Amino acid sequence: GAVVSQHPSWVICKSGTSVKIECRSLDFQATTMFWYRQFPKQSLMLMATSNEGSKATYEQGVEKDKFLINHASLTLSTLTVTSAHPEDSSFYICSASTLFVGGAGNEQFFGPGTRLTVL
Amino acid sequence: QKEVEQDPGPLSVPEGAIVSLNCTYSNSAFQYFMWYRQYSRKGPELLMYTYSSGNKEDGRFTAQVDKSSKYISLFIRDSQPSDSATYLCAMSASRGNNRLAFGKGNQVVVIP
Repeated sequence: GAVVSQHPSWVICKSGTSVKIECRSLDFQATTMFWYRQFPKQSLMLMATSNEGSKATYEQGVEKDKFLINHASLTLSTLTVTSAHPEDSSFYICSASTLFVGGAGNEQFFGPGTRLTVL
Repeated sequence: QKEVEQDPGPLSVPEGAIVSLNCTYSNSAFQYFMWYRQYSRKGPELLMYTYSSGNKEDGRFTAQVDKSSKYISLFIRDSQPSDSATYLCAMSASRGNNRLAFGKGNQVVVIP
């Protein structure tokens, strides 16, 4: 249980184009989804938190107009990197959280990640 | 001072050895503690979850929490090459869908 998928797993795009990444919770309804960025040999950097049906909360320093997040349903959140540039190349990982029976509701279940390369 | 400190390693051990990993934290409000395992180019996978001081065992894995010292540990017994990964500690102050504070991650290599 608690499976999260991401699509695509990797993408290469030209500078200036937009890229959309999907995050789905496959076997549970996620009340909250998180988007992270990870550089090689670095820890996870939280970009934003989103709850279904409401606007995402962005971390300080993350441009909300560049990284558009839509949490359309309890099982789907999307991250769109608009006008991507080479410095946006990174590993993007989503996670989903919900209150399971017996749990505290703060465990996060991660997707497999999406590797974005901007040429 | 970062909220969560974790020595990034890398840590190399021979197959069969015990792997010992730890994190320290500064926020005394943290009550929920997690260990994640991340293989290269993959998302993190939840390994252990604890919310009280003491030990929790799951197979070859033991998570230990000492709230008085603000110190948590993960032990891997009879380590296998398949345990080679990066291990991240994470913690949270309260119930509900809150952000987690992560350590930097500790790269472990188990040598056959």
